[in-house]
Amino acid sequence: DSGVTQTPKHLITATGQRVTLRCSPRSGDLSVYWYQQSLDQGLQFLIQYYNGEERAKGNILERFSAQQFPDLHSELNLSSLELGDSALYFCASSGNTGGGTDTQYFGPGTRLTVL
Amino acid sequence: GENVEQHPSTLSVQEGDSAVIKCTYSDSASNYFPWYKQELGKRPQLIIDIRSNVGEKKDQRIAVTLNKTAKHFSLHITETQPEDSAVYFCAASNPLLFGNEKLTFGTGTRLTIIP
Repeated sequence: DSGVTQTPKHLITATGQRVTLRCSPRSGDLSVYWYQQSLDQGLQFLIQYYNGEERAKGNILERFSAQQFPDLHSELNLSSLELGDSALYFCASSGNTGGGTDTQYFGPGTRLTVL
Repeated sequence: GENVEQHPSTLSVQEGDSAVIKCTYSDSASNYFPWYKQELGKRPQLIIDIRSNVGEKKDQRIAVTLNKTAKHFSLHITETQPEDSAVYFCAASNPLLFGNEKLTFGTGTRLTIIP
């Protein structure tokens, strides 16, 4: 167990719908990262938040957005869902204390299926 | 941005033999190189990592080597066991640079240990 939690575990929805994925980082970690894993794209970085603020952005679609709340949990919102959005969505957290102590620990993931 | 290439994509070895997976990266500023093991449907789990100030790191049967000049790093697993069967991902990042802690992953190697 990495200490990172994600809910829900599975999500099945229809095209055009909107869903919210939730992540709680390890105790004390300030950074949250979201990654998407699909069969043909591997593990792709979406977005990073650090202590409530957006820190880095990857190839995240405009239909997707995220935020990190004062208690440091994060939510990834996916809207106008398409079949191609079906994937495993992982959240990871790290301390970002500087000095290279930035190991990222992954949560169990949310499997999204868009029908 | 960073680009990480990983080879081979699949690897089968006899139980007890060694396995080697190789990665190359493009951004000379990258200085942190973790390896993750992922079993089917599970989260990526960190198995070993190396930072650019060392050339080799070992943890029991697992070792990682880094050649900064050539911009490549390798994972070595000795005395392989059936439980080593999984997909292995290499990654690179520069966690000391603000906003650049995201992991860029290789495409993965499916390792199968033949009993």
